[in-house]
Amino acid sequence: NAGVTQTPKFQVLKTGQSMTLQCAQDMNHEYMSWYRQDPGMGLRLIHYSVGAGITDQGEVPNGYNVSRSTTEDFPLRLLSAAPSQTSVYFCASGAGQGFSPLHFGNGTRLTVT
Amino acid sequence: GQQLNQSPQSMFIQEGEDVSMNCTSSSIFNTWLWYKQDPGEGPVLLIALYKAGELTSNGRLTAQFGITRKDSFLNISASIPSDVGIYFCAGAGGTSYGKLTFGQGTILTVHP
Repeated sequence: NAGVTQTPKFQVLKTGQSMTLQCAQDMNHEYMSWYRQDPGMGLRLIHYSVGAGITDQGEVPNGYNVSRSTTEDFPLRLLSAAPSQTSVYFCASGAGQGFSPLHFGNGTRLTVT
Repeated sequence: GQQLNQSPQSMFIQEGEDVSMNCTSSSIFNTWLWYKQDPGEGPVLLIALYKAGELTSNGRLTAQFGITRKDSFLNISASIPSDVGIYFCAGAGGTSYGKLTFGQGTILTVHP
């Protein structure tokens, strides 16, 4: 059972480039989300989804797009990377309503130069 | 948005010592969660609290949901080297994950 799988593990981009961070879960979870982690700031919610076809913005959505075409996948797109998007990105999934544990992936470390 | 203040930011302790950390919020939360993050990995849930005044244990870890619903505490007893990591509190004012807010984290170092 793989849980939450994020790819790539590391990525370096130049300012203005675009890329997609992949997230897949094999637990049939309805809820999926993306967080970014910056030193001294904890984890901040970027976007989340409560089911296929449904997405919503979190605390820091600017510069990021998401879509949820299947239950398993929740990709995060950076359309035009900026140095301020240098961070560690975590995808998380959960079973649904209430607070059954959120399962986190192992993160993608992104550097934008 | 909602703000969570977690303290201390870091702790350096000797193996065997007890540890306490806390989170305070400017808003009322209905749920408090405590996570631990090991280097290079994602956070893992330690304890979940759903009711004001609730005290819950998980092995050597004990967490409490403050009566005011604006704070929570985590205690670790008899620390061991594998307790090293970053501890995060997280709170939610609603009933879904979408409004989950994380604290800044407490970095714990345990000297053998």
